[in-house]
Amino acid sequence: DVKVTQSSRYLVKRTGEKVFLECVQDMDHENMFWYRQDPGLGLRLIYFSYDVKMKEKGDIPEGYSVSREKKERFSLILESASTNQTSMYLCASSKEYNEQFFGPGTRLTVL
Amino acid sequence: KNEVEQSPQNLTAQEGEFITINCSYSVGISALHWLQQHPGGGIVSLFMLSSGKKKHGRLIATINIQEKHSSLHITASHPRDSAVYICAVSPNYGGATNKLIFGTGTLLAVQP
Repeated sequence: DVKVTQSSRYLVKRTGEKVFLECVQDMDHENMFWYRQDPGLGLRLIYFSYDVKMKEKGDIPEGYSVSREKKERFSLILESASTNQTSMYLCASSKEYNEQFFGPGTRLTVL
Repeated sequence: KNEVEQSPQNLTAQEGEFITINCSYSVGISALHWLQQHPGGGIVSLFMLSSGKKKHGRLIATINIQEKHSSLHITASHPRDSAVYICAVSPNYGGATNKLIFGTGTLLAVQP
């Protein structure tokens, strides 16, 4: 079974802090994605990566950056957390154009 | 207007009922996905289809490419089917990526 894990299920941070969210997949998938999910807005793509060290902006990249140094690991970085970044963050991975496999999510609260 | 629209947004059913959730989209696609998210849980892919119909247990997904419409059916519904069901499409523009466009989801509650 494909497994996508995220570093934390719940996280509480203060405004201005630098926040790292990590995602690891164990199935050698080329594609990895970071989404945020907010009530009424659904899932929105922040960044995605189609190979090591490759990244592309999604629909809402402002305030975020990403890092993919190894194929299995995709990190989302909030350079200076703000209250409007309080959300559920979901990581996903896929092989080529196949279905995406999602991690359990990290519920981030920024105070 | 969203590129992927789902209806209804909320649905309450009695156990045993036949349930239909609809998805319409306005872009050209290479595939359509149905996803399930239980409260507090992660998202699970139910179906990925590009034509016709797929069945898995009590779940059936159909797609009509010409009408840009898909339906997810649940037969003999059960309280454990209570979840958010999300429709997503893989658009066939934007280059060689596997980006998805998501609907906002349908919240299903099945009462015993």
